[in-house]
Amino acid sequence: AQSVTQLGSHVSVSEGALVLLRCNYSSSVPPYLFWYVQYPNQGLQLLLKYTSAATLVKGINGFEAEFKKSETSFHLTKPSAHMSDAAEYFCAVRGLVGYQKVTFGIGTKLQVIP
Amino acid sequence: DAMVIQNPRYQVTQFGKPVTLSCSQTLNHNVMYWYQQKSSQAPKLLFHYYDKDFNNEADTPDNFQSRRPNTSFCFLDIRSPGLGDAAMYLCATWDRGNYEQYFGPGTRLTVT
Repeated sequence: AQSVTQLGSHVSVSEGALVLLRCNYSSSVPPYLFWYVQYPNQGLQLLLKYTSAATLVKGINGFEAEFKKSETSFHLTKPSAHMSDAAEYFCAVRGLVGYQKVTFGIGTKLQVIP
Repeated sequence: DAMVIQNPRYQVTQFGKPVTLSCSQTLNHNVMYWYQQKSSQAPKLLFHYYDKDFNNEADTPDNFQSRRPNTSFCFLDIRSPGLGDAAMYLCATWDRGNYEQYFGPGTRLTVT
């Protein structure tokens, strides 16, 4: 079964600084990988996804992530944090074959300090 | 344009009083999911439908039931809510063509 591990349940960055949120996956074959953002009392919004195409994936709001098979990682980055990026971020994984459920990491709460 | 709609956004119920949460979608997706999300936790899958085929997660309590009368609508019934069932309930669909889940805004359930 696939799983993801998010390192750091809370991350604080200064406004304008690099954002790096870490995610490692566990799967026998490279799966589909996703990053979602959730603002308080709202549903999850897809930031970006990896589906076996380009390893560097660009998403919305200036975020991107790089799939590294050798490191089983899919870390999320943004060059310059904005106050509006403060939210909770979830990494998720889904297997490739047939129907498989999406499994979420525990989430990382991002705080942006002015 | 709302694609996955959940009503109500906030629901208060009494301990032991049955409650139903609603979800509808305008995407015509085959797969629909119900997740429970407690504060500062990841969404936990309760069950999903592939068309009318119902799939229950092994650890979903019997207190939680679901109905999907047609492609567009899905309901979550909590037969006897306990205080531990207070959570955000998220409905989602799966887009097979784009490999994406679409989430509704959620229903925050309070049990008094």
